[in-house]
Amino acid sequence: NAGVMQNPRHLVRRRGQEARLRCSPMKGHSHVYWYRQLPEEGLKFMVYLQKENIIDESGMPKERFSAEFPKEGPSILRIQQVVRGDSAAYFCASPSAGGEEKLFFGSGTQLSVL
Amino acid sequence: DAKTTQPTSMDCAEGRAANLPCNHSTISGNEYVYWYRQIHSQGPQYIIHGLKNNETNEMASLIITEDRKSSTLILPHATLRDTAVYYCIVRKSLKTSYDKVIFGPGTSLSVIP
Repeated sequence: NAGVMQNPRHLVRRRGQEARLRCSPMKGHSHVYWYRQLPEEGLKFMVYLQKENIIDESGMPKERFSAEFPKEGPSILRIQQVVRGDSAAYFCASPSAGGEEKLFFGSGTQLSVL
Repeated sequence: DAKTTQPTSMDCAEGRAANLPCNHSTISGNEYVYWYRQIHSQGPQYIIHGLKNNETNEMASLIITEDRKSSTLILPHATLRDTAVYYCIVRKSLKTSYDKVIFGPGTSLSVIP
């Protein structure tokens, strides 16, 4: 997991607040995946981005969730008006260079909605 | 949906080889087999991948059947720290096209002292 930085490690929000999760991929890499893992469940694909472009957002909930990866700075996963069901671990992953991609995951952000 | 099926759980005695099977009967010619694992509450960790030849690295060996419809991940000398959920994934080489990475439920491996 070295090189993929996620922060914060833990985030507590009250219902209705906004949550912003950040991910910096491995140095020099310009693509990130975001995954969500609900308690006692598997990893669910959310979105795949490259710098300034969303490549695949087929796993994103239709409302309240958005993701971006600006030219400068980390990728941001934004959840508006959080609800208790959003409580989960959110992981981002940075693919290695080349066609046979290995994914390197960050340590995740544990979101708790009170 | 995941393109693979794996047993839900397995046990292995410490020091013995752990053999984790995976079925991927619908795999196509340009799809690779990848293995990852997730130790409790941590981010998943890449283990190994292959196309059709058997592969070995410092962590594990990957045995792919000749028809490529199944594979086995082998941890040669399992330790307690190998207790984790192991995910088998098939996906295309990104040299040809984008292919999202879908994780199934995986196999929960418990290494027993």
